[in-house]
Amino acid sequence: NAGVMQNPRHLVRRRGQEARLRCSPMKGHSHVYWYRQLPEEGLKFMVYLQKENIIDESGMPKERFSAEFPKEGPSILRIQQVVRGDSAAYFCASSSFGGPDEKLFFGSGTQLSVL
Amino acid sequence: AQSVTQLDSQVPVFEEAPVELRCNYSSSVSVYLFWYVQYPNQGLQLLLKYLSGSTLVKGINGFEAEFNKSQTSFHLRKPSVHISDTAEYFCAARGRSQGNLIFGKGTKLSVKP
Repeated sequence: NAGVMQNPRHLVRRRGQEARLRCSPMKGHSHVYWYRQLPEEGLKFMVYLQKENIIDESGMPKERFSAEFPKEGPSILRIQQVVRGDSAAYFCASSSFGGPDEKLFFGSGTQLSVL
Repeated sequence: AQSVTQLDSQVPVFEEAPVELRCNYSSSVSVYLFWYVQYPNQGLQLLLKYLSGSTLVKGINGFEAEFNKSQTSFHLRKPSVHISDTAEYFCAARGRSQGNLIFGKGTKLSVKP
């Protein structure tokens, strides 16, 4: 049973380009969370999704950022018109039923570098 | 609103010494508490969690943590560390009706021979 898979591991973009980060949750998991980790900072919650639904996007910047988790395929975090401040590690986590006491399984992250 | 504070950003220790990584939380509601470990270039792995019941929680790799409600703390301890414990450790909290985890800024544990 493969763990949470994120790709690419490293993504380099120039300012103004788009970044697409993919997350395939563990088999059988229908809840996905995206977190951003800046240097010397902890992980900051961005968005929580179930299949085809955004449950909580309170941590997502209002502009340029969007996320989806379609019925089929991976969850996608999309950043339009990237800026240098978007450079960070982006982690995805999944769980099976989204309960507050449930363990989250994390992927290895995507390191986004904006030149 | 909830917040999690990890008081030490870096903790250097010698191999086989005991270690305590401190974590304090603030919340107006009951929370679940977690410790995660992140090895270099990897995602986070759950070390242990406190949900209810006994305030002393034992986790993987010989780690344990004690929930102290009066001090709103959830410090992580290990009586004797190994070189392989070198990693970053994150304390996290989650409200009982809330989906997302709130993380502290992390503590980098560096174990020296």
